[in-house]
Amino acid sequence: ELKVEQNPLFLSMQEGKNYTIYCNYSTTSDRLYWYRQDPGKSLESLFVLLSNGAVKQEGRLMASLDTKARLSTLHITAAVHDLSATYFCAAQRIKAAGNKLTFGGGTRVLVKP
Amino acid sequence: DTEVTQTPKHLVMGMTNKKSLKCEQHMGHRAMYWYKQKAKKPPELMFVYSYEKLSINESVPSRFSPECPNSSLLNLHLHALQPEDSALYLCASSQVYSYNEQFFGPGTRLTVL
Repeated sequence: ELKVEQNPLFLSMQEGKNYTIYCNYSTTSDRLYWYRQDPGKSLESLFVLLSNGAVKQEGRLMASLDTKARLSTLHITAAVHDLSATYFCAAQRIKAAGNKLTFGGGTRVLVKP
Repeated sequence: DTEVTQTPKHLVMGMTNKKSLKCEQHMGHRAMYWYKQKAKKPPELMFVYSYEKLSINESVPSRFSPECPNSSLLNLHLHALQPEDSALYLCASSQVYSYNEQFFGPGTRLTVL
C-alpha cells in the first residue's frame, strides 16, 4: 500500500527567508503532484513531476523529485505573505487503483512579516 | 473549457433530508472522482467512475450514493447524513489513461445539523 508522509506539518516562515517541505512516499510511484490549498478553497495544482531528477519552478516555488530516494521537495525562496496556505503532495500510480492519488498529511505554511 | 464546476457551493441540511451534489466537466474526461475533506486533513477518495461505471468505492457508507448519468456529469446523493459528514466535498476529473492529472472543482461545503 502506498503511503505518503510530509514534514513538517506546520511551518512558520519569516518573510525573505528560504524553506523546504519534504514529501516521502513508500513504494514506486509514477507521478508526484504538489497542490496548494487556501482556507475553505479547493486544491490548486502547482507542479506535476514525472521522472527522476525532474525539477520545476514557478516564481518562488521549486519542486524536485528523487525517485530512488522516494523523496520530493518543495523549496520556497524568499518567502512572502502571499505564500501562506496549506501545501499537499500526492503520489499516483498509473493504472493502479483507478489512478488514485495518495495524499500526504499537508504542511500548513504561515509567513510572518 | 478546462474547468470542473460544482453546485451548490454551500449546503446546510438536516439529518432527515435528502439532497444532491452536482459536478460537471466538459473536458472530455472519462474518469470522475468524489473526495471528502475534513478540516486540516488531506482529501480522502470516496468514489471513482471510469467510463460512467463505478470502478472504486472506498468503503463509503450507503447514505452516500453516487451517480454518473453521462460522461460530463457526476452526482452525489445524500440521505440520512450524520453531523460528522460535514466536510468539503471535492469533485475531480481526468483522462482514464495517458496524461491523467486530476482537475479539481471548487468544492461544496456541506454542513449537517
